Amino acid sequence: DVKVTQSSRYLVKRTGEKVFLECVQDMDHENMFWYRQDPGLGLRLIYFSYDVKMKEKGDIPEGYSVSREKKERFSLILESASTNQTSMYLCASRLGGTYNEQFFGPGTRLTVL
Amino acid sequence: GENVGLHLPTLSVQEGDNSIINCAYSNSASDYFIWYKQESGKGPQFIIDIRSNMDKRQGQRVTVLLNKTVKHLSLQIAATQPGDSAVYFCAENQGYSTLTFGKGTMLLVSP
Repeated sequence: DVKVTQSSRYLVKRTGEKVFLECVQDMDHENMFWYRQDPGLGLRLIYFSYDVKMKEKGDIPEGYSVSREKKERFSLILESASTNQTSMYLCASRLGGTYNEQFFGPGTRLTVL
Repeated sequence: GENVGLHLPTLSVQEGDNSIINCAYSNSASDYFIWYKQESGKGPQFIIDIRSNMDKRQGQRVTVLLNKTVKHLSLQIAATQPGDSAVYFCAENQGYSTLTFGKGTMLLVSP
């Protein structure tokens, strides 16, 4: 069974802390994505990566960075967490090419106090 | 997520009814579409997909219809069950690897 896992289901951090969200996929997918999901706003793409050490900005990259040192792992970093980054964060992976589904992890609910 | 259903259009049906969930997509050049289901507290799960060279595709209890003329996608769920209660959203493939997602519709199924 294919799987995308995220390091934490729930996380509580303080304003100004550096936060790491980890994502691992076991499907040998080239593409990996980080989204945030907020009520009324839907899924918004933060960053994606189409290969190891490659990254591309999505629609809302401000305040975030990413790291992809290995194909299976894609990390989202909040350099200095702020309360407006309280959200559900979803990681996803997808095989390269057009006609392939995208698999999501279970999500990390991050609260910044 | 837990609150993903807030502010969404809602479709309420009785168990056993057929449900139709609609989605308007934005890009006439989109060539691949996916429907996802998201239950409370979970990540989205793939339901069914369709390529732009098709206008209908059937799965188990689900059918997706694509009308490229009006850029409209629909998901039909036959004999809806309480376990179908979730948020449903469509996604369109606009570029090589990135999907664009609709805001979603909440489906509520009453026993």
